[in-house]
Amino acid sequence: GAVVSQHPSWVICKSGTSVKIECRSLDFQATTMFWYRQFPKQSLMLMATSNEGSKATYEQGVEKDKFLINHASLTLSTLTVTSAHPEDSSFYICSAPELRRGRGDTQYFGPGTRLTVL
Amino acid sequence: GQSLEQPSEVTAVEGAIVQINCTYQTSGFYGLSWYQQHDGGAPTFLSYNALDGLEETGRFSSFLSRSDSYGYLLLQELQMKDSASYFCAVRSSGFQKLVFGTGTRLLVSP
Repeated sequence: GAVVSQHPSWVICKSGTSVKIECRSLDFQATTMFWYRQFPKQSLMLMATSNEGSKATYEQGVEKDKFLINHASLTLSTLTVTSAHPEDSSFYICSAPELRRGRGDTQYFGPGTRLTVL
Repeated sequence: GQSLEQPSEVTAVEGAIVQINCTYQTSGFYGLSWYQQHDGGAPTFLSYNALDGLEETGRFSSFLSRSDSYGYLLLQELQMKDSASYFCAVRSSGFQKLVFGTGTRLLVSP
């Protein structure tokens, strides 16, 4: 199946710093990617839709100036958490859909990035 | 708003059959998917239903009733490695984004 990678897999940073997370589709092109946040023992919450060549679409309640998304190519989307605070500590996961005829679209998820803000 | 409700936890023994239910209320509906997630890992795709009925993939089957806004995932011949969280998800718009259910933690014991 299709593969999506994320880097880094985990990061620890000081409060007030910015952290960039990369999401790559390795063997298919993704004009759209999604960014999720997941707190322990909770479900995945969609943060934003990353669109290649255009601005990201943010879900209600997600601060676009805090979570900067760039989708510079058909295989790479980045999420930058700016001025991170301890409450931003979470598991961040990206996904990319691969449309399959008759099967709807299957989302392939990256392995996730665990962010810890001290 | 949109919501997908699942039982929070289900327990079963090896070799048994378990059913995880999902009831949804969304503004649109393009299909119901199921994902498995082990602790610390990424969700992996299990199955997808766009039309009513049963889809079978090995030990896993998924069912959908659009008139009841309901679906379930059936896991047969349970194995210890099936212990994980299971999420239903609905594609509610034409933009491919998914809304995830509350998640069900499955614990399989010997």
